[in-house]
Amino acid sequence: GESVGLHLPTLSVQEGDNSIINCAYSNSASDYFIWYKQESGKGPQFIIDIRSNMDKRQGQRVTVLLNKTVKHLSLQIAATQPGDSAVYFCAEVSNDYKLSFGAGTTVTVRA
Amino acid sequence: DTEVTQTPKHLVMGMTNKKSLKCEQHMGHRAMYWYKQKAKKPPELMFVYSYEKLSINESVPSRFSPECPNSSLLNLHLHALQPEDSALYLCASSQDGAGVDTQYFGPGTRLTVL
Repeated sequence: GESVGLHLPTLSVQEGDNSIINCAYSNSASDYFIWYKQESGKGPQFIIDIRSNMDKRQGQRVTVLLNKTVKHLSLQIAATQPGDSAVYFCAEVSNDYKLSFGAGTTVTVRA
Repeated sequence: DTEVTQTPKHLVMGMTNKKSLKCEQHMGHRAMYWYKQKAKKPPELMFVYSYEKLSINESVPSRFSPECPNSSLLNLHLHALQPEDSALYLCASSQDGAGVDTQYFGPGTRLTVL
């Protein structure tokens, strides 16, 4: 699979490989995190969430990992498909109850 | 059903026009949000309504005027906009206004100000 250790704005991945998208969050008091997928011309679509009392959560083909020590969040996509091509945003809910988005990573799946 | 609907899908308006964006959800959510998204950028929060009352205004210019007629509807009234206001306007809703619940987004209205 392909992964990036630091947040990068783009990720190109071969179809069928695993993808890892990374995100650093800013507020150590944040207790809720969400990954959204936004396809071209559409609104952000909820993928998976995790609360701060967990370090891993799995969904269908997706896994979110939370490392509170280094304030790092990652989204793993198994067996990446062409339909996974989109912009992926991490978002944190901070202590003022506002949803703050990261810069986003554009994932392109190569056939 | 986690659907938030927005109308219109596209809107072109002049700087002297008055128009409105509409958002609707039937999930029983009591918090609704307006976001603005410029190309290749993340959404930026504009307004939050909680239990039909405005709870957050992120210092948005007065040419944008939100309205929440009831718990299912959210409007954004536009007047005397500037070309730099051209963007995708997203509506979202969540269970309540505490912010710790998932926000579900609509497809957005693509606004162009001439």
